[in-house]
Amino acid sequence: KQEVTQIPAALSVPEGENLVLNCSFTDSAIYNLQWFRQDPGKGLTSLLLIQSSQREQTSGRLNASLDKSSGRSTLYIAASQPGDSATYLCAVYPSSNTGKLIFGQGTTLQVKP
Amino acid sequence: NAGVTQTPKFRILKIGQSMTLQCAQDMNHNYMYWYRQDPGMGLKLIYYSVGAGITDKGEVPNGYNVSRSTTEYFPLRLELAAPSQTSVYFCASSYSGREKAFFGQGTRLTVV
Repeated sequence: KQEVTQIPAALSVPEGENLVLNCSFTDSAIYNLQWFRQDPGKGLTSLLLIQSSQREQTSGRLNASLDKSSGRSTLYIAASQPGDSATYLCAVYPSSNTGKLIFGQGTTLQVKP
Repeated sequence: NAGVTQTPKFRILKIGQSMTLQCAQDMNHNYMYWYRQDPGMGLKLIYYSVGAGITDKGEVPNGYNVSRSTTEYFPLRLELAAPSQTSVYFCASSYSGREKAFFGQGTRLTVV
């Protein structure tokens, strides 16, 4: 059974710091991995999607990497800003192609001015 | 650009009542999902559908039912509401399951 874990559950950093959020999954047979952002009381917004054949994806100050063999992904946020404060979730799509998207518990980030 | 629309946004139910959470998408997506989110627990998959007429159970289907008669709509039915169903419910869709998923704004349900 695929399980997705995110550590830490919460993170607080001063503005301007570069930071890394971690995501691990137990079964390396995935088709892709997505990183989402969730603001309080809102839905999820997809930030980056990495296909299993890719090593990383970049969007602005965000860079996501994928090491499928070790079951790990990281989301790197450069020069963090208070507006980055949110919960970040990762989700995997198993290559068994059942249609399921399986989520981790999320990391809640607070960037202090 | 409506995307995924969920109604209602908030609802309070009494124990034993029933209700339907509505979800509609206008992107012609084949895959649709229902998740529940409890504090600190991430998202748990309730039901999903890979196309009209096709539905399947996720991790936590007990107490819920779904139908998918058209591509656009994927309602979630709660029968005999229980306090354990107090949660935030999210509907999502994607074209084939392999592309980005789009989420609705959620329905906050309280069962008292």
